[in-house]
Order: sequence, then C-alpha cells, then structure tokens
Amino acid sequence: TQLLEQSPQFLSIQEGENLTVYCNSSSVFSSLQWYRQEPGEGPVLLVTVVTGGEVKKLKRLTFQFGDARKDSSLHITAAQPGDTGLYLCAGEGLAGGTSYGKLTFGQGTILTVHP
Amino acid sequence: NAGVTQTPKFQVLKTGQSMTLQCAQDMNHEYMSWYRQDPGMGLRLIHYSVGAGITDQGEVPNGYNVSRSTTEDFPLRLLSAAPSQTSVYFCASSQGWMNTEAFFGQGTRLTVV
Repeated sequence: TQLLEQSPQFLSIQEGENLTVYCNSSSVFSSLQWYRQEPGEGPVLLVTVVTGGEVKKLKRLTFQFGDARKDSSLHITAAQPGDTGLYLCAGEGLAGGTSYGKLTFGQGTILTVHP
Repeated sequence: NAGVTQTPKFQVLKTGQSMTLQCAQDMNHEYMSWYRQDPGMGLRLIHYSVGAGITDQGEVPNGYNVSRSTTEDFPLRLLSAAPSQTSVYFCASSQGWMNTEAFFGQGTRLTVV
C-alpha cells in the first residue's frame, strides 16, 4: 500500500486541453513537493507547498496543498506537447515530523500531450 | 557545477555478483539518499545519510549497504545481486533538513540476470 496515492497513473490528452493530477494520503505531511522526470533523467523539482490550503502557480501549472496537508493537486491549463513527462508527488515530514532529506513518493503520472 | 553524478549509467550483473553504485555531489550538501524506481511504484527510499559517518535505513534496505566517509560521496553496495534488484537507482542530495529541493543524479539502470 502506497502512503501517497497518485491518480491517474496514465493520462493521454490533446494539445490545449486542461488536466488535473491528484496526490492523496491518509497521513499528514509537513510539505508536498512535485517533480517532473524526463526519460533517462532524474526527477527535477517543480514546486514545494508547505502551508495547508496553499496555492502556487508556475506559468500554466497550478499546485494546491489540501487544508489538512494530506493531499495535493497539480492542474495544467492548455497543455502543450512540451508538458509530456512523468509527474511525481513527494511528501516530506510524515505525520508532520522532520524529513532530513527523505521523501515519500507517489506512483507517478505519465502524461502524454499529443499535438 | 556537475551537481549529483552517478556511475555507471548502465550495468548488467549475474545473480550472486556484488557491485557498488557510485554517487558524488559537489554542492556540499549534508543530506544524501538512495532510491530505486520501479514501474508503477514511484521511487522508494533504500538508505539515507544526514552527514558524513551517519547513515540509516529507508523503506527497502534489504540487500543493500551504504557508507558515508566524506560529505561528497555516498556509494550503494549490492552484496549478492538478485533479479528482484533489477531497477533504476537514483541518488539524491539536499541542503537542508526540511522544505528543500532534492537534486537527483541521472540514474543507474541495473539488470540482474
């Protein structure tokens, strides 16, 4: 059983469509991070959300941390082929504790945006 | 800056063989970790270190050893390779103890036959 359940695992859409990826847990985390990974590369950080209810925007990407700090979402507006990749959520500080650099990852969402 | 460097990039082992995956970072980060990535399971923590001389187990430590003699290096040793250890391995480093970015290497794709 994954501590962080990410959905959907696969998403195939047309250019210009909107999409949302969800990251849910029954546990509280001190913060949630979202990473993007390209084939043959390691994950690269997109954003960290720390405060319950926090919303952060990165161009066409909107990240939200749930009020109870147990879930997060990533919304992409008007997706482009360049958004194609693997998106991973990762929790820091399980049960509100200290992470010491350790991350708990969701299963990942493979996004394909067709031209 | 090189960031986090992992070697080798690809490796094929026979069951029972041992090997060491190398990881080096040049950012003077205190915190380093090893993860394995398997399809549909995201990344799972194998071992981590909060500084030179200090290591601890993560979620899936069995069959792996680590040591941290310097701040820069954090090698991962497979003691007796098994097919279940076929995976992509990532090393990561971070600067702070909370809310800081983890920097990942490019990964080592290991196949055990």
